[in-house]
Amino acid sequence: EAQVTQNPRYLITVTGKKLTVTCSQNMNHEYMSWYRQDPGLGLRQIYYSMNVEVTDKGDVPEGYKVSRKEKRNFPLILESPSPNQTSLYFCASSLVGGKERNIQYFGAGTRLSVL
Amino acid sequence: AQSVTQPDIHITVSEGASLELRCNYSYGATPYLFWYVQSPGQGLQLLLKYFSGDTLVQGIKGFEAEFKRSQSSFNLRKPSVHWSDAAEYFCAVGPSPNTGNQFYFGTGTSLTVIP
Repeated sequence: EAQVTQNPRYLITVTGKKLTVTCSQNMNHEYMSWYRQDPGLGLRQIYYSMNVEVTDKGDVPEGYKVSRKEKRNFPLILESPSPNQTSLYFCASSLVGGKERNIQYFGAGTRLSVL
Repeated sequence: AQSVTQPDIHITVSEGASLELRCNYSYGATPYLFWYVQSPGQGLQLLLKYFSGDTLVQGIKGFEAEFKRSQSSFNLRKPSVHWSDAAEYFCAVGPSPNTGNQFYFGTGTSLTVIP
């Protein structure tokens, strides 16, 4: 089954404790992206990757890191989480060419609380 | 500033009534346009997309949307709403020559369906 898998689904942590949210897709998509969803703000893109070893900042990259060492994985790293990073996070992936280009498939989301 | 605007934060309709959700964008020319739906506690699912060609596009679950270049709009419609359509709806733009490699989402419209 084609899917984007995020882990964990729920995470409660404390300020300053490094954490990683994993994202994996099995559709051989070149494009992967992280979003955060906050009430009244919709989804905002944090980082995206056009392919392996190619990453770029979205609109809200401060406080986040990403890496793309393999095509299927795109982890989101918070090296020193702060309470303002409490949010619902989504990973998504898509093809960059062809008829199905830019159609993003989303993971189920990770709800993060930073105390 | 470039933006995707969904002017209606919340809409309530009766089951069986028609529905129109508004979306305006400010990216110029013809961006790639999408509508996604998010059911409570779920990720986002693509309803429909517009890249080029026929300005009236059909999607899943009986939804359709019309691209109007002169109004920079991409409104979502459904002739008869079902209780299961209650969800949050997001309009999105990109990537395209106007938006680069990023996606931009509106702030969402929450739909309530009353019996």
